[in-house]
Amino acid sequence: EAGVAQSPRYKIIEKRQSVAFWCNPISGHATLYWYQQILGQGPKLLIQFQNNGVVDDSQLPKDRFSAERLKGVDSTLKIQPAKLEDSAVYLCASSLAPRGRYEQYFGPGTRLTVT
Amino acid sequence: GDSVTQMEGPVTLSEEAFLTINCTYTATGYPSLFWYVQYPGEGLQLLLKATKADDKGSNKGFEATYRKETTSFHLEKGSVQVSDSAVYFCALRSNFGNEKLTFGTGTRLTIIP
Repeated sequence: EAGVAQSPRYKIIEKRQSVAFWCNPISGHATLYWYQQILGQGPKLLIQFQNNGVVDDSQLPKDRFSAERLKGVDSTLKIQPAKLEDSAVYLCASSLAPRGRYEQYFGPGTRLTVT
Repeated sequence: GDSVTQMEGPVTLSEEAFLTINCTYTATGYPSLFWYVQYPGEGLQLLLKATKADDKGSNKGFEATYRKETTSFHLEKGSVQVSDSAVYFCALRSNFGNEKLTFGTGTRLTIIP
């Protein structure tokens, strides 16, 4: 079974530029998560999708971050414009369903450096 | 809100040493508890979990017991190997709302031969 795929693996941009990350979850997984992991910290949930609807985006900085999950499969996370403090690893995860005993499976992450 | 406090690292041990990584939590109700491991260049992997008080999760020689009275979920292994070198994250999943995961800050473990 293929795991969660993410691209690119690394990205370096200058502040005020835009960047987009892509995630392809495990086939059949209805729930998709984006996390931000700043160096030295644990992952923090940015947004959670159930199929193509948003379940929780309470910690997403909506003035600069946006995410979509068209057709309930792949997802894209965008930052526009980027700030220095956005430097982090962006993790995508998926699960069969959001509740109960269903495990979240994580992708390898995209490491973003903003200079 | 929910929070997880994890033993600060980095931790360096010799091969075959005994490992303990402390984890305590604050949460409403009775969360599920997890340990995740992140090997270099890879994503987070679930190592073990416990869903109710006194449950013991175990995998690959690692163990952790859900202690409600001390709100703890310490990770232990009797004899570590070089291949255990990784970053370990303690996490909880609330049983309310959207049941999101809350992570600790992670503990980097290095095992030297």
